[in-house]
Amino acid sequence: AQSVAQPEDQVNVAEGNPLTVKCTYSVSGNPYLFWYVQYPNRGLQFLLKYITGDNLVKGSYGFEAEFNKSQTSFHLKKPSALVSDSALYFCAVRDTGFQKLVFGTGTRLLVSP
Amino acid sequence: NAGVTQTPKFQVLKTGQSMTLQCAQDMNHNSMYWYRQDPGMGLRLIYYSASEGTTDKGEVPNGYNVSRLNKREFSLRLESAAPSQTSVYFCASSVEGTNTGELFFGEGSRLTVL
Repeated sequence: AQSVAQPEDQVNVAEGNPLTVKCTYSVSGNPYLFWYVQYPNRGLQFLLKYITGDNLVKGSYGFEAEFNKSQTSFHLKKPSALVSDSALYFCAVRDTGFQKLVFGTGTRLLVSP
Repeated sequence: NAGVTQTPKFQVLKTGQSMTLQCAQDMNHNSMYWYRQDPGMGLRLIYYSASEGTTDKGEVPNGYNVSRLNKREFSLRLESAAPSQTSVYFCASSVEGTNTGELFFGEGSRLTVL
């Protein structure tokens, strides 16, 4: 079965510094990978996806993610963090056979002023 | 543009009571989903509906039933609520037949079972 792992429950970073939120995946076949963000008391919002092509994917709000096939990773990055980026971030992988997603356990990002 | 609308937003039940969570989307999406979110466990798929008239079990279907009433609406029913079903429930929808995988989520329904 397809799965993703987010090894960090929480990531702390100072405003203006670069941030990385880690995700590794396990799939059979080609991976379809996604990042979502959840702000407090809200539903999840799509940030970006990797289907095929360039290993560096750009998404919403200045976020990007790097697909690394040899390390089976899909880390979320941003060059300069904002306090408003503080939220819960989920990595997800498309399950085989149908367009449904399997989510990781989430990583809480805290950006301090 | 409302997107995905869930009702109710909050509900408290006693063990054994029943209730239905309602979900409607106005994006003309074919596929709809119900997830539950629990601390430390991320989102887990309860049921999904690939298209109007079809439903399938997800990862954690026990204790739940669903109805795809029409293309817009997908309801989740708890027949006899248990404390283990205390959770935040999210409905989502997506365009079928593409490989985008982009799901559109509702705001969530917070359910407490006493």
